Amino acid sequence: GAGVSQSPSNKVTEKGKDVELRCDPISGHTALYWYRQSLGQGLEFLIYFQGNSAPDKSGLPSDRFSAERTGGSVSTLTIQRTQQEDSAVYLCASSPGQGAYEQYFGPGTRLTVT
Amino acid sequence: GNSVTQMEGPVTLSEEAFLTINCTYTATGYPSLFWYVQYPGEGLQLLLKATKADDKGSNKGFEATYRKETTSFHLEKGSVQVSDSAVYFCALTGAGGTSYGKLTFGQGTILTVHP
Repeated sequence: GAGVSQSPSNKVTEKGKDVELRCDPISGHTALYWYRQSLGQGLEFLIYFQGNSAPDKSGLPSDRFSAERTGGSVSTLTIQRTQQEDSAVYLCASSPGQGAYEQYFGPGTRLTVT
Repeated sequence: GNSVTQMEGPVTLSEEAFLTINCTYTATGYPSLFWYVQYPGEGLQLLLKATKADDKGSNKGFEATYRKETTSFHLEKGSVQVSDSAVYFCALTGAGGTSYGKLTFGQGTILTVHP
């Protein structure tokens, strides 16, 4: 079956612009996670959605970052007024539920802010 | 909060050598422990996991045992292959509360295996 897909695969944007990153999870997976992978910070949790519960936004680094998940499926991560320190690979993962389930990762979106 | 510490890399080995990548963690309660692997040009994928103390996770010849007394989850393989060259991440999810479900990763260890 299809895995987690993300788009775009690469995004170059100018400082100050807004960007939207998309994630299509595996069908039927109720949990969806966003992580960021950067040279300086490693892999860090950003936000996750579980079913119809309120999302856990505790990892978002600033209020310029937001995410939504529509219809319990597709998710969009939005970064407003991008800064150079936002340059990283943004990873999406989904799992059948919350907890110790395996998280299936997408290929990531490489964001470069110039 | 939760944290994971991996041995510093990179690690370079010859084919058929023994591999150990150390991982220790800090967490309250009984977290679930994972090793994820990222092969060149590919996404992160689960290698193995253990969900309670003394459990041994294993896959593709790799093993790791959940040691509560030493808060460790070291990755081992008896005979590495060139195809094992990748970046390995140790990770945990909390036992409950606000850390339940979300992964906390170590910094990653780059493994290179030469023929």
